[in-house]
Amino acid sequence: DVKVTQSSRYLVKRTGEKVFLECVQDMDHENMFWYRQDPGLGLRLIYFSYDVKMKEKGDIPEGYSVSREKKERFSLILESASTNQTSMYLCASSPGLAASGTDTQYFGPGTRLTVL
Amino acid sequence: RKEVEQDPGPFNVPEGATVAFNCTYSNSASQSFFWYRQDCRKEPKLLMSVYSSGNEDGRFTAQLNRASQYISLLIRDSKLSDSATYLCVVNERGGATNKLIFGTGTLLAVQP
Repeated sequence: DVKVTQSSRYLVKRTGEKVFLECVQDMDHENMFWYRQDPGLGLRLIYFSYDVKMKEKGDIPEGYSVSREKKERFSLILESASTNQTSMYLCASSPGLAASGTDTQYFGPGTRLTVL
Repeated sequence: RKEVEQDPGPFNVPEGATVAFNCTYSNSASQSFFWYRQDCRKEPKLLMSVYSSGNEDGRFTAQLNRASQYISLLIRDSKLSDSATYLCVVNERGGATNKLIFGTGTLLAVQP
């Protein structure tokens, strides 16, 4: 079974703090993704990476950055947390169409971040 | 127009009922289609992929109509444990980027 883990299930931070969310996958997947999920808005893609040290902006990258130094690990960074970044953050990984013939994504359990 | 549109529901059905969800997508180049299930406060999990010929997995049947850009999910003999949000998912631009586009989901509540 694919396993995607996230460093925290719940996190409370203060406005202006730097926040690191970590994601690790154990299936040697090429692609990794960071989403946020808010009521009524569904999943929105923040950033994704298709290889080590490679990153691409998603639909809502403002206020976020990412790091992928190793294939299995993809970090989301909030440089200066704000209250409108309170959300559920979900990490996903995917083997990719070229590698496996499928772009199915597998999700971690999520981190519920509250910024006060 | 949203890229993937679903009726948000909720669909309240009794145990044993048959329920169908529909979804439309806007990108005619999409080639991969999925239904994901998301339980309350949990992550989305793949329920089933959707193939052109239609496919069935136990009580679940998925259909794809490329001409109308329409995907459906049929659940027969609903169980209490089927209560969840069902997300319709398509890939972007024929899979060139491996990005998936998620609908906002349809909430199903199966009543005893």
